[in-house]
Amino acid sequence: DIVMTQSPDSLAVSLGERATISCKSSQSVLYNSNNKNFLAWYQQKPGQPPKLLIYWSSTRVSGVPDRFSGSGSGTDFTLTISSLQAEDVAVYYCQQYYNTPLFTFGQGTKLEIK
Amino acid sequence: EVQLVESGGDLVQPGGSLRLSCAASGFTFSIYWMVWVRQAPGRGLEWVANIKPDGSEAYYVDSVKGRFTMSRDNAKNSLYLQMNSLRAEDTAVFYCVREGGGLGAFDIWGQGTVVTVSS
Repeated sequence: DIVMTQSPDSLAVSLGERATISCKSSQSVLYNSNNKNFLAWYQQKPGQPPKLLIYWSSTRVSGVPDRFSGSGSGTDFTLTISSLQAEDVAVYYCQQYYNTPLFTFGQGTKLEIK
Repeated sequence: EVQLVESGGDLVQPGGSLRLSCAASGFTFSIYWMVWVRQAPGRGLEWVANIKPDGSEAYYVDSVKGRFTMSRDNAKNSLYLQMNSLRAEDTAVFYCVREGGGLGAFDIWGQGTVVTVSS
């Protein structure tokens, strides 16, 4: 199984500042034939189901604000929120879908306002 | 509107059984892989099972193999999860999820249904 490890487990950032969350996979999730990283990011607000933010490691879902960006390749990935807004308080999860149909999520990173 | 609505969650004793259902609407259900994901109280997300568009094959996380069975009825736009031999550690919110075709990732989530296994 591919193990996904996020860091930090929790993060407090001031409004308007940058937030950065890391995700590392135990093996590469880059599919060489199409040069795509099978890595997604989700946002889960309290009491709500998760919401897909980014897929193929860096493609934003339509309607997701452009302050959210994903980067990285192979085994190391980053979710960046360029200017934190109050509504961004949530738990963020990375997920690999390289090892389809066996999927794994990171443990989650709780993002709060400082 | 694209929508997934789960039902069937309940309080059940250890060793008992439960059948979850998910009603899909607003999209062509029969062409998508579908997924169950669970979240134990205060914990992270865990993929449980998924099923091919035609229902011919399903795949399971090791911890539920032999106990859970996922199925679908494309004529009824419905997804099911039969859960037997339930354990306390199966207590969770169960989400019905669409695997988003060309996106690869899980693009549509239901609101979830709560399963509690306790005596």
